Amino acid sequence: SQQGEEDPQALSIQEGENATMNCSYKTSINNLQWYRQNSGRGLVHLILIRSNEREKHSGRLRVTLDTSKKSSSLLITASRAADTASYFCATDPSGGGNMLTFGGGTRLMVKP
Amino acid sequence: EAGVVQSPRYKIIEKKQPVAFWCNPISGHNTLYWYLQNLGQGPELLIRYENEEAVDDSQLPKDRFSAERLKGVDSTLKIQPAELGDSAVYLCASRFGAEAFFGQGTRLTVV
Repeated sequence: SQQGEEDPQALSIQEGENATMNCSYKTSINNLQWYRQNSGRGLVHLILIRSNEREKHSGRLRVTLDTSKKSSSLLITASRAADTASYFCATDPSGGGNMLTFGGGTRLMVKP
Repeated sequence: EAGVVQSPRYKIIEKKQPVAFWCNPISGHNTLYWYLQNLGQGPELLIRYENEEAVDDSQLPKDRFSAERLKGVDSTLKIQPAELGDSAVYLCASRFGAEAFFGQGTRLTVV
């Protein structure tokens, strides 16, 4: 079973545009993380936001978290062709433990 | 540091045959995960270890799947017998702290 659901499932944009992906989850969390997966490869950690944080930045990435709506968004600014990948949100449940449950992912294509 | 190492990268077997996947996590990482990933979907947790103890294996089909993590380091995931529906990518990840590190995965094709 998957904790999160990403929206949209697929996104196609031009290089230079911004890409926004959304994630909704079901249970209370300690933190929410975003991972990237290039085709045929393993997942790579991008950014983590804790349940008491509302926004976080890392380079061209901006993550927001709304615990009242159980949702998060990932914004990639000034996208590049190299950003083409699948993006997944993952959550650690509150109450401890390293459960790390993933959503279904958003497949992003950035056209040069 | 080599990162999380998985082998083999690819495996093709006939149905009803056994298969095993191996994972060498990053040194010092207490938490180890095995995930199954179908094409176009997110990783689904099969089993999680804290050191050598399996603390979450509710999603592991125990009639055909087994896993072990001897001495709390390397781990092996086995399927016996394999079914056509087991064709997928099997991902191993390890963790110490907030960030999980993934291996490249083993792509299993059952024919």
